[in-house]
Amino acid sequence: ETGVTQTPRHLVMGMTNKKSLKCEQHLGHNAMYWYKQSAKKPLELMFVYNFKEQTENNSVPSRFSPECPNSSHLFLHLHTLQPEDSALYLCASSQDGGLAGAPRDEQFFGPGTRLTVL
Amino acid sequence: QKEVEQNSGPLSVPEGAIASLNCTYSDRGSQSFFWYRQYSGKSPELIMFIYSNGDKEDGRFTAQLNKASQYVSLLIRDSQPSDSATYLCAVKPGNQFYFGTGTSLTVIP
Repeated sequence: ETGVTQTPRHLVMGMTNKKSLKCEQHLGHNAMYWYKQSAKKPLELMFVYNFKEQTENNSVPSRFSPECPNSSHLFLHLHTLQPEDSALYLCASSQDGGLAGAPRDEQFFGPGTRLTVL
Repeated sequence: QKEVEQNSGPLSVPEGAIASLNCTYSDRGSQSFFWYRQYSGKSPELIMFIYSNGDKEDGRFTAQLNKASQYVSLLIRDSQPSDSATYLCAVKPGNQFYFGTGTSLTVIP
């Protein structure tokens, strides 16, 4: 496996279900991100983990729960979601050098999980 | 509020023409700037990054940055139908990335 992988690629769940999204990066990066992408909206940053520690939580509802067991794996646990949570969920990773303008600090995205909440 | 503004389009250009995509940002502390291309149903892929004022060229793509005007642009020369996609501008003032809504580009054969 190379780059950033995500599973599952598609998920349909009911409002009472519990499911988890998985992300794995094979790039040796130290930062991982969860984004939500809805139609006609900019990418919404949900969570940031840097060296396994959560550094950002952008007012995301508690029905989304992230987990980062190590710097290569990231999970997003879902429970009691709402239909408006249906979207493309993207995982990304980067090498955070801590210096603005550090070379090669771009984000690499996984293929995403298309989530539909019924 | 850290904002990144893009014209959502759609922008249509004939094959072989130059496509010009523009982006403005609000945070003067932004140091890193990125252009991503996103095909329908796919995830964003990086096509250009720029850190210094001026132009940066990579094949048919040229990124232009003007920090004084808080403006970054992407030029695509000799546009091809395969360039039809949504182009996302992203800026990074610190450790966090901020994305625009994207500009939809259609290259007409």
